[in-house]
Parts: sequence; C-alpha cells; structure tokens
Amino acid sequence: EAGVTQSPTHLIKTRGQQVTLRCSPISGHTSVYWYQQALGLGLQFLLWYDEGEERNRGNFPPRFSGRQFPNYSSELNVNALELEDSALYLCASSLELYRGRNQPQHFGDGTRLSIL
Amino acid sequence: KNQVEQSPQSLIILEGKNCTLQCNYTVSPFSNLRWYKQDTGRGPVSLTIMTFSENTKSNGRYTATLDADTKQSSLHITASQLSDSASYICVVEGGDKYIFGTGTRLKVLA
Repeated sequence: EAGVTQSPTHLIKTRGQQVTLRCSPISGHTSVYWYQQALGLGLQFLLWYDEGEERNRGNFPPRFSGRQFPNYSSELNVNALELEDSALYLCASSLELYRGRNQPQHFGDGTRLSIL
Repeated sequence: KNQVEQSPQSLIILEGKNCTLQCNYTVSPFSNLRWYKQDTGRGPVSLTIMTFSENTKSNGRYTATLDADTKQSSLHITASQLSDSASYICVVEGGDKYIFGTGTRLKVLA
C-alpha cells in the first residue's frame, strides 16, 4: 500500500512569491490534513479537508488556502510568501470522518519550503 | 487555553536502557491522545491512540499510559535501541482540533 506522498520534497522561493504544495492520500482515505512545522517548533494545524470540503482551519492568515479534489488529493497554496513561512509542510490522511474518531493519521514526509 | 506540554525537551540514554516521556494537557473537550515518533527529515508515525476510557496501550516496546483525571500521559520505551533516536510528539484531539506538543528529542547512544 502506497503511503501519503507529497511533492515537491524541497522548494526555494523568494518573498512575495506564491507556492503550491501537493498531497496524495493513502488509497481509501478521504480526510486530508495540512500542518506547518517551523524549525524548533511543534506542528501547527493549518487545514482539514474531508470529502472535498474544508472542515476546519487553524490560526493562519487567509493567504494560506487549499482545496481537495474529487480523487481526494489536495493542494496547499500560500500567497505573498514571507520569511517566516519557511518550514516543513506536512500532509496527513485518515479514513473518512464519519467512520468515527480515533482514526490514526498517516503522514507524508513533507515539503521543505525555504523563503529567501 | 488548549495546550499540550511535553517533558523533558531532550533526553540522552544508553542503548538497552528504559526511559519515560511525559505529556500534560489542558485540552477540552477531549477525544483522544496520540503519541507519534518522528525521525529526522521524515513525517511522524503513529505509535498509539488512547481514548478517555483507556489507560494503557502498548505497541511493541512502546507503552503509553493515560490518566484522564490528572490530564497526564506518559510514553515508556523499554530496552531502547539506536533506532529509537527520534522526536516523540504527544497530540491531543479535542472537538475538531488537534493540539500538538513540541516533542521530546530522544538520543540513544551505543
């Protein structure tokens, strides 16, 4: 079974640019989560999609946005990049919400974004 | 305020020794508590998930405990191996939120 895959693995951008990160969940998983992990800090919840809809959003500005496609893959878009956006962006997937809670989240290995 | 605090921040032990990592939380409502292992440069991997009614759960050499009354959890690693060197992250799910601790960085030396 293929795990969660993210692309690209590394990315370098400059301030003010825009970036799109991609995530493919495990087959059969309909929930996708996005997290930011800045150096030395814990994971910060960004977005949660399930069945194509945004279910919840963390405390991030609107320039962080995303979407989930009919095949359950997902994109994270960040506009007007700032230096503090430099971080590891992790995607996780789990079984659909309404099978009940307590489902494990399976993480990809992330996209490391560096802002110069 | 919903918070998850982990201690110690870092830990160095010798191969073969046991260790215990701590997690205290103030998250409400509470759905479950999870422990993850994150190797350097990789995504976290789930070790255990415990609900309110569970107070112990094992996964090989990893044993997690949960005291829902005191809002404390621990992760005990038995007979540590070099491959246990990683960050261990405690996560509490409450409502529609996942609150992450900042992790304990464990280094196992030969």
